[in-house]
Amino acid sequence: AQSVTQLGSHVSVSEGALVLLRCNYSSSVPPYLFWYVQYPNQGLQLLLKYTSAATLVKGINGFEAEFKKSETSFHLTKPSAHMSDAAEYFCAVTLNTGGFKTIFGAGTRLFVKA
Amino acid sequence: DADVTQTPRNRITKTGKRIMLECSQTKGHDRMYWYRQDPGLGLRLIYYSFDVKDINKGEISDGYSVSRQAQAKFSLSLESAIPNQTALYFCATSAGLAGGYNEQFFGPGTRLTVL
Repeated sequence: AQSVTQLGSHVSVSEGALVLLRCNYSSSVPPYLFWYVQYPNQGLQLLLKYTSAATLVKGINGFEAEFKKSETSFHLTKPSAHMSDAAEYFCAVTLNTGGFKTIFGAGTRLFVKA
Repeated sequence: DADVTQTPRNRITKTGKRIMLECSQTKGHDRMYWYRQDPGLGLRLIYYSFDVKDINKGEISDGYSVSRQAQAKFSLSLESAIPNQTALYFCATSAGLAGGYNEQFFGPGTRLTVL
């Protein structure tokens, strides 16, 4: 069965430090991969997406993610955390089977310390 | 104006009551979804609709029903609410593969509390 695993339900970094949020997926077919961000009291919004055009994907607010097929991973990074990055981040996989359904990971809450 | 709107934004109800959550979108998308979010569980799909005449159950459809009144409107009903349906509910839309590989656009959410 296809699945999405986000390692770490909570991640805490200091302002200015590297942000690394991990996502691994399992899929028997080539996936489309997404990272969404949810700020407090808001819905999810797209941060970036991988659609097979390039393995390194740049998104909004300085985030990027790299698709590594051999590791079945799509980790999200940002070189320097900002206080405004504090939010919950969701990795998602859309599978090209039976109508392109999307599966979401459980989410990782990012805390940024001053 | 928001592309995907949900009403109400907050609702407190009692066990056994019938509740309807409404979703409207102005994005012109055919596909609409209802999810619930619980802490530590991420988003779980309740129902989805790929067009007005196509409605499908998601992974947790028991206790819920939906109605797709028009391309732009998709409502979720709890026929007889129970406390474990207390959650944050999101509506989302997408254009399918042609529209960005099924990137989804979310409403602001409805926080439902069942006492």
